[in-house]
Amino acid sequence: AQKVTQAQTEISVVEKEDVTLDCVYETRDTTYYLFWYKQPPSGELVFLIRRNSFDEQNEISGRYSWNFQKSTSSFNFTITASQVVDSAVYFCALSGRNSGYALNFGKGTSLLVTP
Amino acid sequence: EAQVTQNPRYLITVTGKKLTVTCSQNMNHEYMSWYRQDPGLGLRQIYYSMNVEVTDKGDVPEGYKVSRKEKRNFPLILESPSPNQTSLYFCASSFWGANTGELFFGEGSRLTVL
Repeated sequence: AQKVTQAQTEISVVEKEDVTLDCVYETRDTTYYLFWYKQPPSGELVFLIRRNSFDEQNEISGRYSWNFQKSTSSFNFTITASQVVDSAVYFCALSGRNSGYALNFGKGTSLLVTP
Repeated sequence: EAQVTQNPRYLITVTGKKLTVTCSQNMNHEYMSWYRQDPGLGLRQIYYSMNVEVTDKGDVPEGYKVSRKEKRNFPLILESPSPNQTSLYFCASSFWGANTGELFFGEGSRLTVL
């Protein structure tokens, strides 16, 4: 069975603060893929990143960075110098070789960035 | 423009009245899928299709049907909707499945069953 846990239901920060969204996963697959999606207030789902289980290198894209640690089964997402436009619900998701081509989503973390 | 198009975007209906939510993609993707999103539960997969005439159940298939007669279309059918199917529905597509790359999502269809 696969499971994604996003323990933080809601986070509120003030603009320019750094914020980390936690994601912990469970899987029996040796080959699997991890994703982050953003859902802004307008409702659409926006793909942010995909990482496979063999690549533990951290990734940085502008103000966004991701820390993948297999030892702790975590794939955390950090926003540096947050902005109001970062306010959204963020979903971590997992897809494994034995998951039937499904993305298993966490329940999401709602991030509110205030001016 | 590459996109996944869902219709209707908003629908209010009554219990038992059959309805279909259409989904169409213009990217020649083999894989298509339906998810529902409910508060506190995240997104859960309803059905998916690996190719034409190939469909399979996801985590929450009860009360839904799908068909994949053409590559570009993957309609979601609620034969006899019930209030517990009130939800936000997303259609998604990709080339080979969720594993292999980005899932492209439609804009969502908000369904209310009275």
